[in-house]
Amino acid sequence: GAVVSQHPSWVICKSGTSVKIECRSLDFQATTMFWYRQFPKQSLMLMATSNEGSKATYEQGVEKDKFLINHASLTLSTLTVTSAHPEDSSFYICSATGTGSFEQYFGPGTRLTVT
Amino acid sequence: SQQGEEDPQALSIQEGENATMNCSYKTSINNLQWYRQNSGRGLVHLILIRSNEREKHSGRLRVTLDTSKKSSSLLITASRAADTASYFCATDATGGSEKLVFGKGMKLTVNP
Repeated sequence: GAVVSQHPSWVICKSGTSVKIECRSLDFQATTMFWYRQFPKQSLMLMATSNEGSKATYEQGVEKDKFLINHASLTLSTLTVTSAHPEDSSFYICSATGTGSFEQYFGPGTRLTVT
Repeated sequence: SQQGEEDPQALSIQEGENATMNCSYKTSINNLQWYRQNSGRGLVHLILIRSNEREKHSGRLRVTLDTSKKSSSLLITASRAADTASYFCATDATGGSEKLVFGKGMKLTVNP
């Protein structure tokens, strides 16, 4: 149980285009989802926290207009990287928590490369 | 900012040896967790230790927590080549926040 999936697992896009990454909880209802970014050989940095049906809360320094997060249902959250630039190339990981639980279940990550 | 910091940053050992990783943090916590990440993959939850616990075991893993020193250690006994991965500690702050703060991570290489 407690499986989180991400799609796509990797994506290559051209500079200036937008990319959408999906995060799904497969066997539980995710009241809260988290989006992290991880640069090579570095740790995970929290980008934003999203609760179903409400606006995401972004961490300091993360541009909300550039990284659009939608948590439209209890099993799906999406991260859209708008007008992507090469410096946005990174590994994006989502996690989810269920009702009444603080344990985060992590997705397998999405490798974004912007050329 | 990252409050969990692992020490050392990279460790290379031979199969069968024990590996110890340390983590320090700065604020009061509810829990401290250890995760493993294989190269280019997602995180795998290893073990959670609560702030009122001092030691916890899970298979070949042993975690200790010293809240007075704000530090934790992860011991992997009888290491295997398959244990090669990066290991992260993560803390959640008191106050009911669900947010995790990850340490810098430690790359463990177990040589066969």
